Amino acid sequence: KQEVTQIPAALSVPEGENLVLNCSFTDSAIYNLQWFRQDPGKGLTSLLLIQSSQREQTSGRLNASLDKSSGRSTLYIAASQPGDSATYLCAVYTGFQKLVFGTGTRLLVSP
Amino acid sequence: DVKVTQSSRYLVKRTGEKVFLECVQDMDHENMFWYRQDPGLGLRLIYFSYDVKMKEKGDIPEGYSVSREKKERFSLILESASTNQTSMYLCASSWRTGGAFFGQGTRLTVV
Repeated sequence: KQEVTQIPAALSVPEGENLVLNCSFTDSAIYNLQWFRQDPGKGLTSLLLIQSSQREQTSGRLNASLDKSSGRSTLYIAASQPGDSATYLCAVYTGFQKLVFGTGTRLLVSP
Repeated sequence: DVKVTQSSRYLVKRTGEKVFLECVQDMDHENMFWYRQDPGLGLRLIYFSYDVKMKEKGDIPEGYSVSREKKERFSLILESASTNQTSMYLCASSWRTGGAFFGQGTRLTVV
């Protein structure tokens, strides 16, 4: 059974820092991987989708990489801002495009 | 922009009531999903559908059923609501090639 783990569980940084969030999965036979953010009490907002044939995706200050063979993905956030404070979730796609979610990293960026 | 709309943000129901949660997407996605999210347990898949009138059980289908009569609409039904079904419910949709989009969530309280 696919299991997805995110480290660290919580992270507190001052504004302006570059930071890395980690995601690992136990079964490398995945289709795609997607990163989301979730604000308290809200739904999930898609950040980046990495297709199985790709190794990374970039959007603005965000860069996500995927190494299927080692079962790892990282989300890099450059020049963090207070508005980046949220919970970040990674999810891997298994058969029928079902998503298996990680445990999440709660990020707090202080002004 | 992709829009996934859940019928209610907040819902309070009594134990034993039959509860309907509705979800509509406007992107002609083949796949639709229902998840519940609980503190410490993360997001867990209840049911998903990969086509009209097709459904598959997720990880925690007990106490729930679903209906997908039209491509854009996926309904989650709590046959007889119980207090342990108090949770945040999240609907999502995606193409077969992946890339999920989520609704804003429905916080259901069963009293």
